[in-house]
Amino acid sequence: AQSVSQHNHHVILSEAASLELGCNYSYGGTVNLFWYVQYPGQHLQLLLKYFSGDPLVKGIKGFEAEFIKSKFSFNLRKPSVQWSDTAEYFCAVNARAGGYQKVTFGIGTKLQVIP
Amino acid sequence: DAGITQSPRYKITETGRQVTLMCHQTWSHSYMFWYRQDLGHGLRLIYYSAAADITDKGEVPDGYVVSRSKTENFPLTLESATRSQTSVYFCASSFGLAGETQYFGPGTRLLVL
Repeated sequence: AQSVSQHNHHVILSEAASLELGCNYSYGGTVNLFWYVQYPGQHLQLLLKYFSGDPLVKGIKGFEAEFIKSKFSFNLRKPSVQWSDTAEYFCAVNARAGGYQKVTFGIGTKLQVIP
Repeated sequence: DAGITQSPRYKITETGRQVTLMCHQTWSHSYMFWYRQDLGHGLRLIYYSAAADITDKGEVPDGYVVSRSKTENFPLTLESATRSQTSVYFCASSFGLAGETQYFGPGTRLLVL
C-alpha cells in the first residue's frame, strides 16, 4: 500500500538555522510529490510540488525540495529559517494505485522557530 | 474570490446525532475531498469525488456519507456521531488529480460529546 513517512514529528530551531525535513514514500511507480504548510490557525496551502523535470524544486518563501527517486525521498529544505516559518508541514504523494489516482499525506512535522 | 468555504466552522454535538458539514467551492474544480486531521495521524482521506454524482471511499470512510449533486458542493454527513469522530475536518478541491494542487478550506472543528 502507498504510504508516506515523515521522520521528524516536532522540530525546534533557532532563527537563521538551516532546516531539512525528511519525507519518504513507498511506491515504485510514477509519483507527484507535494509539500503543504499549515500556519497556526490557517488552512493548508501548497508550498511546492514536483511533477516532472528538474528534481530540485523551488517553492515559496525560500523553501526547496529535492526528489531523489533512488531513495524514494522528497526532503524539504530552507537554508535559514525565520520565526514566521513556525507551522506544520505535510508531505503528500499522488500516485496511481489499483487503477485510480490516490493522494496520501504524511502525519506532518511541527516546526517551531525560536526568535 | 470566495474560493473554498466550509460551514459551520465550529460544531458541538452529542453522540448519536446526525451532523452535516458543508463544503462549497467557486472554481468549478472537478475533484473534491474530505479529510480529517488528528494528532498523530496527520491528514486522512475520508471520501473524495471526481465529479458530480461520482464519489469514492478514502482511507477512513466508516461512519460517514457524502453526496455530490452539484459540482460546487460536497457535503459530509456523520450519520450517528461518535466521540471518535471528534476532529478537524478539511475540505479540499483540485482541478484534476495527477500532479494537481489541492486547495483547502479553513476547516471545521467538530466536538462530539
